[in-house]
Amino acid sequence: QSVLTQPPSVSAAPGQKVTISCSGSSSNIGNNYVSWYQQLPGTAPKLLIYEDNKRPSAIPDRFSGSKSGASATLGITGLQTGDEADYYCGAWDSSLSAYVFGTGTKVSVL
Amino acid sequence: QAQLVESGGGDVQPGRSLRLSCVASGFIFSRNGMHWVRQAPGKGLEWVAMIWYDGSKKYYADSAKGRFTISRDNSKNTMFLQMNSLRVEDTAVYYCARDDCSRTSCLGHWGQGTLVTVSS
Repeated sequence: QSVLTQPPSVSAAPGQKVTISCSGSSSNIGNNYVSWYQQLPGTAPKLLIYEDNKRPSAIPDRFSGSKSGASATLGITGLQTGDEADYYCGAWDSSLSAYVFGTGTKVSVL
Repeated sequence: QAQLVESGGGDVQPGRSLRLSCVASGFIFSRNGMHWVRQAPGKGLEWVAMIWYDGSKKYYADSAKGRFTISRDNSKNTMFLQMNSLRVEDTAVYYCARDDCSRTSCLGHWGQGTLVTVSS
């Protein structure tokens, strides 16, 4: 039940910046914190951003999160080939009483 | 160093049951809520279920309600997912994850996953 919508793919050259949008509603993003996850090929997901814009200590500041209303955005600056991965947003949905993930975005480095 | 290790996956026929386990180490298991998340081959992440730190509350995705049961044994640092009446569409890698946020859910640590294949 993907109630959070993301673009299927984004791409940019090394060193450039990409942004990934995540669109939800008042029952999830609009009134609950957003997290972002990175899934490198063949591996388990990893938490990148929590509570809209906080980074776990091991995550470089090239990754940033923001939120406005019922939409959130993940930014990646200084793009590296190692950033090629699938990225998912996630949030608790108060109406569903369930955690919901976004549809996922594949980041490609040209 | 927090570690989560899933087990119990395998091949199973439609309509049968399977119980997954997630053993935690490197942290105080009884302090964190826990989740199960699955990923079908070539597909995105799908949240399955969540259990509070003390087991007092449980939440399920619509796809899991009535068929799956999440539970935990804090004395054994282990979480379970009992899956009954399995369907072909339940085929996926199942991950357990630790909830690291107190004000809302965020899945901060993940296991490596265990593959469940439902096929006749």
